Amino acid sequence: GAGVSQSPSNKVTEKGKDVELRCDPISGHTALYWYRQSLGQGLEFLIYFQGNSAPDKSGLPSDRFSAERTGGSVSTLTIQRTQQEDSAVYLCASSLGSTGFYEQYFGPGTRLTVT
Amino acid sequence: SQQGEEDPQALSIQEGENATMNCSYKTSINNLQWYRQNSGRGLVHLILIRSNEREKHSGRLRVTLDTSKKSSSLLITASRAADTASYFCATGIQGAQKLVFGQGTRLTINP
Repeated sequence: GAGVSQSPSNKVTEKGKDVELRCDPISGHTALYWYRQSLGQGLEFLIYFQGNSAPDKSGLPSDRFSAERTGGSVSTLTIQRTQQEDSAVYLCASSLGSTGFYEQYFGPGTRLTVT
Repeated sequence: SQQGEEDPQALSIQEGENATMNCSYKTSINNLQWYRQNSGRGLVHLILIRSNEREKHSGRLRVTLDTSKKSSSLLITASRAADTASYFCATGIQGAQKLVFGQGTRLTINP
C-alpha cells in the first residue's frame, strides 16, 4: 500500500514568510509524528498526534510553530515568520498505535530552506 | 540531548564483509528501532526490537538488545554496495510516544 507522503518535497522561502508543510499518513494509522533533521541538531521530535489531538507538543521549538490534524488523517505543520535557523528537513511519520508496540514509518521529508 | 549514542560515527568496509554498528541509550525503553537513511531524506524502517526481546533477525540483519547495559547492535552480513547509507537507532522511551534518535553511523561499502 501507499506509504507516508509529504508535500512539498522542497520549499525555499524568504525570512519572515509563513510556510505550511503537509503530511498524509498511511491509511488507518492513528498516530502521527513530526520530526526535523538539521546538521547541527540531528533528528528531533516536534509533535505527536493521536487522532486529531496532540498530547505531546514538547518538541515544538517556539510559538512560531504549530500543527494540526484533521479527520484523523492529514496533518499540516505551520511555521510563521520563518527564520534561517528553521532551515531543515521536516519529516513526518505514522504508526498504527502506541510507539511502545508499533513501528513508525517515515515520509520522504520536506527540505525547507529559509533565505 | 540525544538519548542514543552510536558507535562508530563512520564505518568503511569492503563489499562482502560484515558491518556492526552499536547504539547506547540512557533511559528505560519500550522498544528500539533501527532505520536507514539514504542521501539525507526519508528514513526506511529496518527492524523493531522490544524491551523483552534479546535478538531479532530480518534477512541479512541481526539486532541484539541488552537492556542491562542499555545497548543495542545492528549487524549487516555479507554487505553490498547498496547498503551504503546512514543508520540510526531510535528508542521508544517508556511513558512517551516519540522516538529519540542517535546521531547515526555513516556506513560506506567499497566495491
